Amino acid sequence: AQSVTQLGSHVSVSEGALVLLRCNYSSSVPPYLFWYVQYPNQGLQLLLKYTTGATLVKGINGFEAEFKKSETSFHLTKPSAHMSDAAEYFCAVSETGTASKLTFGTGTRLQVTL
Amino acid sequence: DAGVIQSPRHEVTEMGQEVTLRCKPISGHDYLFWYRQTMMRGLELLIYFNNNVPIDDSGMPEDRFSAKMPNASFSTLKIQPSEPRDSAVYFCASSLGWGRAAFFGQGTRLTVV
Repeated sequence: AQSVTQLGSHVSVSEGALVLLRCNYSSSVPPYLFWYVQYPNQGLQLLLKYTTGATLVKGINGFEAEFKKSETSFHLTKPSAHMSDAAEYFCAVSETGTASKLTFGTGTRLQVTL
Repeated sequence: DAGVIQSPRHEVTEMGQEVTLRCKPISGHDYLFWYRQTMMRGLELLIYFNNNVPIDDSGMPEDRFSAKMPNASFSTLKIQPSEPRDSAVYFCASSLGWGRAAFFGQGTRLTVV
């Protein structure tokens, strides 16, 4: 069975500071990993995904994430936060090669302050 | 493409009434998912379809919930009878192939009073 743990339900950073949102996963087979962002009253929007190949994945809006198999992690980072980054972020996992479902973490709400 | 389209965006209904939520997936996508989002339980997968066929409905909470996909461009999620605890945001999503990124609609905010 697969699962996702997002450490920290709320993260607050200053504008211009580094953003780090943590995600650890559990999967019995090589995973597909995703980060989604949800703005208020909106649906989820894909930020980036890892399937195979390069472990450092770049996404939209300056975000990137690195797949670390040894640490079973897929943390999301952005060098410099912008006010418009304030939203809720979801990490998700699905297992390759099986008809398993996409499992979401509980989400991390990012607050950006002046 | 207009993306995944859900209707209505908001629905307020009285307990005991039937509620039908609608979804139009992205053209050409072969997987369709229904999710429910609440503060208490986060995002939960209710059911998903592949090529219009329901594959896994283990997330459907009760027999009061049913979902159909009569063709590749339309799906419904029905709750009958509705209860206040069904109040949530319901998302529809579609993807092209298994393991690919799912594209979400804007959701239907359901309030059962």
